[in-house]
This record gives sequence, C-alpha cells and structure tokens, in this order.
Amino acid sequence: DTGVSQDPRHKITKRGQNVTFRCDPISEHNRLYWYRQTLGQGPEFLTYFQNEAQLEKSRLLSDRFSAERPKGSFSTLEIQRTEQGDSAMYLCASSSGTANEKLFFGSGTQLSVL
Amino acid sequence: RKEVEQDPGPFNVPEGATVAFNCTYSNSASQSFFWYRQDCRKEPKLLMSVYSSGNEDGRFTAQLNRASQYISLLIRDSKLSDSATYLCVVLNSNYQLIWGAGTKLIIKP
Repeated sequence: DTGVSQDPRHKITKRGQNVTFRCDPISEHNRLYWYRQTLGQGPEFLTYFQNEAQLEKSRLLSDRFSAERPKGSFSTLEIQRTEQGDSAMYLCASSSGTANEKLFFGSGTQLSVL
Repeated sequence: RKEVEQDPGPFNVPEGATVAFNCTYSNSASQSFFWYRQDCRKEPKLLMSVYSSGNEDGRFTAQLNRASQYISLLIRDSKLSDSATYLCVVLNSNYQLIWGAGTKLIIKP
C-alpha cells in the first residue's frame, strides 16, 4: 500500500497519560500535515512540515502537543498529560507541495481519553 | 463569521434526483478550491478540484463564482453510495487550507 498510513488506528488512554501517534506519508510527498477532527466538524489544522522543517503551528496546538519529522519522512505527534477534550480523530495528510495542495489522508487515529 | 461556511444539512434526497449545495468563503483572494468526500468514521478523500471555468467529472459538476465568493457541487442521478459528508476546502491568500464543517447528504431509496 503506497498511501498514507497511520498507527495506531485507535487509542484509549486515561487522562494524564502521554500518547504518541505515527504517520507515514506517501514517499515522494514533501509536505505532511496533522489535523484534528471531532464529530460534525471539518478537520482543524494543527501543524505542517515541509520536509523536516515544521513551518506552521496552529494556536490550537498547546504546549502539551509536539510533532516531529526528524528525517523528512515519517512524523510523530505526541500529546502529553492528555485531557478529555483531546478526544478526537487525529488525521495525517501529505501532499507534493504544489500550489494546488491536493491532500491525501491516512485513515486517522481515533483517540479516546477516559 | 467563519472563513468557509457550509450548510450542515442533512440533505435528504431520493435516489436518482439531482442535488446541489454551496460553500461560501470570505477571503476574496483565495486561490484554489476543492471538494472532499468523507464517509462516516473514515478519512476525507479528494472528490474534485474546482476550476474557474467549472468542471465536470461524470455525475459531478463543480463551479466557482468569484464575484459572489462561493463554490458549488451538483450531483446528478444520485446513487445510494453518494451518501456522505461533502467538505469544501479553500486555499486562501496566506496559503492556508481552510476547511468547511461539511454538508451531510443522505440518499434514500
């Protein structure tokens, strides 16, 4: 499968625990995005990378959230000290970085914080 | 006012009918426009880009009206499998992708 893959598909955790998600983009794509989506809403932008450089972070991204893309390939999103409000679908997308910005999404990681 | 707005629906439409919905955007300098489809509990998937002259892909037609700042999606001869949420996405003048909250479409037999 040469699409965007995310792991895990589902994560259940207790409030206060740390969680880490992984995203493997389409191999030739240099842009990688993280979004969060809750029921009935469109995806909310969190951050994006151009190769290994993190170019933009949303104000939604509190200091409990950190994302890395160390070698410009896969990326990780870590949430520290999770809160119930962090429960959402976390989506990763990649693109070739052209002006048209067509995004290809992974299946997402559904996070439930108890 | 949100930068991209959509009627959340749901639109309940009988199979075979034609349905259309709009998406308005506030940034007049927005550059690119897209429609994505999202099935329940699945990831969004690109349905089609929207070009200035309008474009068609099978039963789907997308149009852009820059003067009134909206894009539209028309689905002809709707199928049960068209039931989904349709998300409007706009690339604004700051090169940010702004997502609408989606329009839910339900096709009934």
